[in-house]
Amino acid sequence: DQQVKQNSPSLSVQEGRISILNCDYTNSMFDYFLWYKKYPAEGPTFLISISSIKDKNEDGRFTVFLNKSAKHLSLHIVPSQPGDSAVYFCAASDGSGNTPLVFGKGTRLSVIA
Amino acid sequence: GAVVSQHPSWVICKSGTSVKIECRSLDFQATTMFWYRQFPKQSLMLMATSNEGSKATYEQGVEKDKFLINHASLTLSTLTVTSAHPEDSSFYICSASEANTGELFFGEGSRLTVL
Repeated sequence: DQQVKQNSPSLSVQEGRISILNCDYTNSMFDYFLWYKKYPAEGPTFLISISSIKDKNEDGRFTVFLNKSAKHLSLHIVPSQPGDSAVYFCAASDGSGNTPLVFGKGTRLSVIA
Repeated sequence: GAVVSQHPSWVICKSGTSVKIECRSLDFQATTMFWYRQFPKQSLMLMATSNEGSKATYEQGVEKDKFLINHASLTLSTLTVTSAHPEDSSFYICSASEANTGELFFGEGSRLTVL
């Protein structure tokens, strides 16, 4: 059973608009969440993270929102740029160091100029 | 869906010994595999990129003689931690890129504990 789910395999957004990528999790022990971005032929790179003590973390055009009661987090990209076109992975951890990160299957974002 | 398997999932070893961790793509061919190290409350650190049939490309600061990576086939890459020390204790996670589509799949991680 998937503990981290990214239900949208792909998303297309017009340049300049907001991109919203969603992620749901089932394990209530998760308390640290990360987003990774992956370009073709490259490995994923860290984008932004959020701890469960927060409900929002912002870094430039990227904001991650966490709704613990709904076990849901989302990544907002505003404004979206063509260079944002990539696969985005959501990952979760219980932060203990005793368990590995659990990844979603990714969402492919295409930003159309 | 495609599965990436890591073995062992947990290994405990004595300081000074070497440990091999396997990463297998179970139902697809992976031309590229990535090895990461995970620290608590931190993002993954990319250690190296492994391409089938060629030498791995290591990230800056990663000792290639200590972390030996071999990608001998399209379904298997191995990471050998040589002369392990307690500070090498960590989770090591691999990901595999499907040969035709480039889609990426993650392994479940291998926990190394060095005593």
